[in-house]
This record gives sequence, structure tokens and C-alpha cells, in this order.
Amino acid sequence: GENVEQHPSTLSVQEGDSAVIKCTYSDSASNYFPWYKQELGKGPQLIIDIRSNVGEKKDQRIAVTLNKTAKHFSLHITETQPEDSAVYFCAAHTGGFKTIFGAGTRLFVKA
Amino acid sequence: DAMVIQNPRYQVTQFGKPVTLSCSQTLNHNVMYWYQQKSSQAPKLLFHYYDKDFNNEADTPDNFQSRRPNTSFCFLDIRSPGLGDAAMYLCATAPNGGEETQYFGPGTRLLVL
Repeated sequence: GENVEQHPSTLSVQEGDSAVIKCTYSDSASNYFPWYKQELGKGPQLIIDIRSNVGEKKDQRIAVTLNKTAKHFSLHITETQPEDSAVYFCAAHTGGFKTIFGAGTRLFVKA
Repeated sequence: DAMVIQNPRYQVTQFGKPVTLSCSQTLNHNVMYWYQQKSSQAPKLLFHYYDKDFNNEADTPDNFQSRRPNTSFCFLDIRSPGLGDAAMYLCATAPNGGEETQYFGPGTRLLVL
């Protein structure tokens, strides 16, 4: 069935460094790829998304890249800050109403 | 502010005792989703409503039911909770589903004793 793999499961960086989280998806028909940030005790919140007709999208310190041929997409956070510490989920919309989530990456930003 | 609200935030029930979780939204979205999220795992879709049309995922246990009496409210009923049903339950909404952002509530953490 449809699957989204996410790596790494845990990532620890020093404040100010960059963080990169990578995902691969299996359904070549997927066209929409959102990224969600989940802080402790809260529901996931969208931070950025990308559609298949775009290779890269940037919003301040956050960027996402998409390689449809390889079925890879990545989240890049530059100049990380302690408040970036959270669990990040990549996801792929597979058609209809279904979105498949990756297993999550727990990001620790050390001050 | 428009939002997705879930009550209660924490729910304790006994093994086999029915429990209901509630979700409400002020976004006036057509689609409401229920997800189950176990510790350190991805959210797993249980079912969704498009308006009054109910759609169950194939692997959602029969023990889980849902009701949507109106646009604003949606309920998750667990008829006979087992220990394996302890999890965070997330409600989300979307304007029309499909390739859109989903707006999540804060979740209800269910503990089964």
C-alpha cells in the first residue's frame, strides 16, 4: 500500500546550525506534500507545503524541495532556534481524502 | 479566532467501558477527520466525514464509531475500549479535503485502565 518513509527519527543540532529531514513516498500519483510541526501536548500544525509542479519552496528559514522522479522530498530549516524543537511529520496526499504521514522526526535544538 | 476544539484533553476510562470524545470547529469546513496517534508514531486515519457522508478506513476496527450531528461537531465513540486503544486522538478539519491543509485540534489523550 501507500507508504511514506521519514529519516532520521531523531535529530539533534546546535542552535544556529541547519537541520534536514528527508522523506520518500511510494505512490507516484501523489501531488501534494505538507509538512507538519507537532509541539508537546498539541496537535500538528502545517509549516510549509509543496505541490508536484514546483521543485522548491521557501518561507523565511524553512524550505522544502521535491524530486518527483526519485519520489523524495526534504525539509530544510536554517539558523535553527530552540523553539524549533518539536516533532516534524512529512506527509503525502495519495488521492481522495487520504494523507499518509511519515513516522516523524524528533528535532532537538541545543542552545 | 477560528479553531478546532477537542474535549476533554485527557480522558480516563475502564477496560470495556464505552467512551465518547468530542470535536468542534468554528472554521465551517466540510471535512472532519479522526486520527489515532500512538506514542512516537504517525497519526493514523480512522475515518472522515465530508458533510454528512461518512467514510471509514478499511482497517479501522468496528469498535470505533463516529457521529456528526451538524457541521460544527463530530464525535468519536469507542464502544468497548481495550488496552491497545490508549492513544492520542486527533480531530482535524479541511475546507473540502483533497490537496489541502488539514487543521488539527490539540488532541484528546485516552488512558484505558
